[in-house]
Amino acid sequence: AQSVTQLGSHVSVSEGALVLLRCNYSSSVPPYLFWYVQYPNQGLQLLLKYTTGATLVKGINGFEAEFKKSETSFHLTKPSAHMSDAAEYFCAVSDRSNYQLIWGAGTKLIIKP
Amino acid sequence: KAGVTQTPRYLIKTRGQQVTLSCSPISGHRSVSWYQQTPGQGLQFLFEYFSETQRNKGNFPGRFSGRQFSNSRSEMNVSTLELGDSALYLCASSSKSGDTQYFGPGTRLTVL
Repeated sequence: AQSVTQLGSHVSVSEGALVLLRCNYSSSVPPYLFWYVQYPNQGLQLLLKYTTGATLVKGINGFEAEFKKSETSFHLTKPSAHMSDAAEYFCAVSDRSNYQLIWGAGTKLIIKP
Repeated sequence: KAGVTQTPRYLIKTRGQQVTLSCSPISGHRSVSWYQQTPGQGLQFLFEYFSETQRNKGNFPGRFSGRQFSNSRSEMNVSTLELGDSALYLCASSSKSGDTQYFGPGTRLTVL
């Protein structure tokens, strides 16, 4: 069965610093890959997704992620953190056959002033 | 376009009761998925409906059920509530299975 691993339940960065949130999946066939963000007491908002084509995907709010098949990774980055980026981030993969989303455990991003 | 709406936003019930949650998808979307989110288990898939038919089902007991109406609105029902059912229940819609899912704000269910 597919699984998604997000390294670090909490990541703390200073405002203006690089944000790097890690996501690895287990699949021999490249799945569809997603990053969602959840602000307190809200639902999930799509940040970006990879289906096919260019492996560097740009999303909203200055985030981007790179699909690396050899490393089965889809890490999320942002060059310069902003206080408003404080939220929980979820990586998800979707099997190309049944489209069910398998979720990582989430990473809480903390921004230090 | 209006987003996914869920009602009610907050709900308090006692053990043994039943509850019905409602989800209205984005206009034109025919697929609705339900998820349970808890601090301990994270996000877990409950079921997906497409054109009034359950297409996929997660690993939840039969106390959890759902349905979808002809206008794509969906309801989920939990019978004989247990304390462990306390969670945020999220609904997501997409134009078709496999397409990007858009989430509602969730219904926070507390079981006392």
